[in-house]
Formats: sequence, structure tokens, C-alpha cells
Amino acid sequence: GAVVSQHPSRVICKSGTSVKIECRSLDFQATTMFWYRQFPKKSLMLMATSNEGSKATYEQGVEKDKFLINHASLTLSTLTVTSAHPEDSSFYICSAPDSGGNTIYFGEGSWLTVV
Amino acid sequence: AQSVTQLDSQVPVFEEAPVELRCNYSSSVSVYLFWYVQYPNQGLQLLLKYLSGSTLVKGINGFEAEFNKSQTSFHLRKPSVHISDTAEYFCAVSDTGGFKTIFGAGTRLFVKA
Repeated sequence: GAVVSQHPSRVICKSGTSVKIECRSLDFQATTMFWYRQFPKKSLMLMATSNEGSKATYEQGVEKDKFLINHASLTLSTLTVTSAHPEDSSFYICSAPDSGGNTIYFGEGSWLTVV
Repeated sequence: AQSVTQLDSQVPVFEEAPVELRCNYSSSVSVYLFWYVQYPNQGLQLLLKYLSGSTLVKGINGFEAEFNKSQTSFHLRKPSVHISDTAEYFCAVSDTGGFKTIFGAGTRLFVKA
């Protein structure tokens, strides 16, 4: 079964609204999680590193104020897309390394459609 | 910083034929290497990974890959493909410290009957 869970798996929102995507590690604690974005028929682009108890580290070109990341606990990181626009429509996926640093698990991904 | 190059954007192949999907990486530090498969409108599925040890890694669905440090390559192979192997395949690299993963552009494997 999945060890990293994302919710919702699919969401449709109106332009101008904000939407939150959750990433949970189910069987382990994750001090670090990663958020990726995938445009249709494209590769996955690392957006940011989510750090428990501190600010996220964003990759170059990613708007911090638009993509808010909160790592409130050792098992939960959230990505909030603020004031969403149609160009934010994408597949968002998170990952988390296991506690022992032996492997990394990816969530199932979240499809965001902004209309 | 790491980078990954997948040399072929598309690979068409007939069913039951062998296939090799090429991947080269660059890094100034030790890395872990991965191959993921993504079926249409689905998430990622890990095919195999190289962390250490034997350079020949066997994964699910009959796939295998060989880590070649001198050539900085991690090519994916399957001796006989099926129609159901049609999907997008991503090579990925991460540092050995925190698993910050960088993905290649992907290779579309198209298996024809």
C-alpha cells in the first residue's frame, strides 16, 4: 500500500481561488518532503523542498508567494496554490525519504484544473 | 548539482523485441539512480533503483538497468517488451544525502503489435 498519500487526487477550482494539496507520510516521519510539478506530456520539475519546522526552500523560478508550502508536522506537508489561474493547472506530486534514508517514496499525485 | 539526460524522447519498438532506454547523468557527488514508469493519467511507479553494490539492478516487470560509473550512464533494458509496457519512462538521480531527485525529460516507449 501507499506510504505517501496525497489528497485530493483531483481538484477543480475557479480562477482566483486558492487550493490546498496535502502530502502525508503514513508509516514514517519525514523531516523533509519534496514538491514537484508536471505539465502535460512533460517531465517532473522540482518546485521546492519542504522542511519540517522551518521555511521551505524554493527552486529558482518558483514563486514563493504563489505556491505556499507548510510542513506543520513530521507527517504532513501542504502545498497551497494561491490565486490560482488556468496556467497553474498541472499534476502536482510530492515525495518523502524514509526515516532511515534508504529510499524515497512518491505520492500518487494531485491533478489540479483551474477553470 | 545533478542533471539527467535521456537521449531518446520516443522509442517505438515491436512487441517481443528487446529495448534499451538510455540515460546519462552528471554529478559532482555520489548519486542514487532511479527509473520510474508513468502510465497515462497516472502517478509514478518505481521500476528499479541503484543505491550501492552490484551495478546490475533488476526491477519489476522484467526490467533491468546497469550503472556504469565511468560512462555516467544508467541505461534501462528489457529483453522482450509487451504492449502493456507502452508508457513514459523517467530516469532520475538524487544525491545520497537527502534524496532530492532530479528527473530526466522522459522517454516515451511505444510498443507496436
